Amino acid sequence: ELKVEQNPLFLSMQEGKNYTIYCNYSTTSDRLYWYRQDPGKSLESLFVLLSNGAVKQEGRLMASLDTKARLSTLHITAAVHDLSATYFCAVAERGADGLTFGKGTHLIIQP
Amino acid sequence: EPEVTQTPSHQVTQMGQEVILRCVPISNHLYFYWYRQILGQKVEFLVSFYNNEISEKSEIFDDQFSVERPDGSNFTLKIRSTKLEDSAMYFCASIGTDKFFGPGTRLTVL
Repeated sequence: ELKVEQNPLFLSMQEGKNYTIYCNYSTTSDRLYWYRQDPGKSLESLFVLLSNGAVKQEGRLMASLDTKARLSTLHITAAVHDLSATYFCAVAERGADGLTFGKGTHLIIQP
Repeated sequence: EPEVTQTPSHQVTQMGQEVILRCVPISNHLYFYWYRQILGQKVEFLVSFYNNEISEKSEIFDDQFSVERPDGSNFTLKIRSTKLEDSAMYFCASIGTDKFFGPGTRLTVL
């Protein structure tokens, strides 16, 4: 059974600081997704990572994937309040359709 | 930009009643999914659907659940006899180059 673990689950940080959210998974995967969810809203796709060493950046967010370590990171640079949300990583086991989600990282960025 | 749509946005039902949740996936997508999220918890995979049949389902997707693509555009999730623990947000998703989620239906079972 695929397990996906995120840490931290809760993060409070100040604007302007950098931080990294980690996502570990337990079996071979060929797709890893990062999503953002605002309270009461749906899941907004941030990144899809398909191969070892993949790195994608959008604004202050950068995601990377190390398939050998079964680890993905979501790095936040110079955080701003608007990035406050819950961030989920989700992994598709090789050959499977459905995604297994982590528990999410609830991120609060304070002015 | 095309998007996945879902109706209704909120459904309240009595325990034991049947509900049908509706989704219109993005038109040129071929794979469709249902996920659910119990309030404050993680998102859980229910079922995937391709070429008019279920391609994968989770342990949650038991005999009380069924999916259909009745008319080539809608994609429905039916829960035959709702239980209190079925209360959750239900998200439809479809996949092209990325997996896009709909806005969700909040199901409340009383």
